[in-house]
Amino acid sequence: AQRVTQPEKLLSVFKGAPVELKCNYSYSGSPELFWYVQYSRQRLQLLLRHISRESIKGFTADLNKGETSFHLKKPFAQEEDSAMYYCALRLQNAGNMLTFGGGTRLMVKP
Amino acid sequence: EPEVTQTPSHQVTQMGQEVILRCVPISNHLYFYWYRQILGQKVEFLVSFYNNEISEKSEIFDDQFSVERPDGSNFTLKIRSTKLEDSAMYFCASSVVFGYTFGSGTRLTVV
Repeated sequence: AQRVTQPEKLLSVFKGAPVELKCNYSYSGSPELFWYVQYSRQRLQLLLRHISRESIKGFTADLNKGETSFHLKKPFAQEEDSAMYYCALRLQNAGNMLTFGGGTRLMVKP
Repeated sequence: EPEVTQTPSHQVTQMGQEVILRCVPISNHLYFYWYRQILGQKVEFLVSFYNNEISEKSEIFDDQFSVERPDGSNFTLKIRSTKLEDSAMYFCASSVVFGYTFGSGTRLTVV
């Protein structure tokens, strides 16, 4: 069965510091990977899809099939980036179900 | 921007009671979903619904759960006889094909 692991429950950085939120997955086929963000008291919002290879709010993520990782990066963190970040996986050609990681709380200190 | 609306935002119910969680998906979306998140745990898939029937469901979605689209706009999740362990945030989502839009969730507390 597929699995998504986010090893850090909490990541605390200072404003302007680089950020890397780790995500590893286990699945032998071709997954589709996503990052979702949840700001305080707000709904889950799609941040990135690996297929689109775009940068949103300065965040990027590259799918590394060799390491089965999809780490989320930003070179200079901002205080407004403080939120919960969830990595999620969808199995291609297997419906629309998402499997989520446990989430990482990012705190950006002034 | 269109939103997925969930009501109520918080529901408290007694163990053994039936509860219905309501969702209004985005009007032109075709796929509808329920997820839940027990406090401190992962967001977990419950069920997806397409063309007026369940298309996928997880092991969590047992006979105590049911979904319905009663009137072409609402999408409901019913829990027949709630247990303490059903306490969680329940998220509704909808999509055209893919590209989920999530609702803000209903916090269900079973006492």
